Amino acid sequence: DTAVSQTPKYLVTQMGNDKSIKCEQNLGHDTMYWYKQDSKKFLKIMFSYNNKELIINETVPNRFSPKSPDKAHLNLHINSLELGDSAVYFCASSQYRLAGGQETQYFGPGTRLLVL
Amino acid sequence: DQQVKQNSPSLSVQEGRISILNCDYTNSMFDYFLWYKKYPAEGPTFLISISSIKDKNEDGRFTVFLNKSAKHLSLHIVPSQPGDSAVYFCAASVSNYQLIWGAGTKLIIKP
Repeated sequence: DTAVSQTPKYLVTQMGNDKSIKCEQNLGHDTMYWYKQDSKKFLKIMFSYNNKELIINETVPNRFSPKSPDKAHLNLHINSLELGDSAVYFCASSQYRLAGGQETQYFGPGTRLLVL
Repeated sequence: DQQVKQNSPSLSVQEGRISILNCDYTNSMFDYFLWYKKYPAEGPTFLISISSIKDKNEDGRFTVFLNKSAKHLSLHIVPSQPGDSAVYFCAASVSNYQLIWGAGTKLIIKP
């Protein structure tokens, strides 16, 4: 009974393809996030949703589109994949609306995306 | 522009000794700091946090120290155990807004 799950765990694809990563949390949390861990290992927030409402949208290319069908799910769709999109993508959730540090965030295991 | 810096990519410590992981920050508006721990092929998990109104917070073997004048915080693990081998991330936030993360320090506990 994984708290935050992501699928797939690994994704290898060609440049130009469109792909989706799915995230589900069974913690009953209101807020979900997508982070990108780049080659320098920094975790950078991409998006945050609270009860299906977008509350953080950092400067990411508009090829990246989050979709939240309900508050337990936050999927990430990426169009026209580029080499620079290769990274580890982490989904996370927290209990309340506030997106910052005073709430514990619970992370999924990550999706390792490699664009060839 | 790295607002949170962990300058040591890795640290090796003997089992039973103290591990000290360091983190420096540049944004004086940060008011909350956290440490997360990450094992391979897993996501980060919350370890310990500290508010900027405090200079120390302790939880079992883990203690975080905050030196606001130096814009520096450290995580002490005493005594270090093999299960502590992981990557440790320092993170900070302003007014409970989004977290800004460091690049992590890989801690290796030697038996």
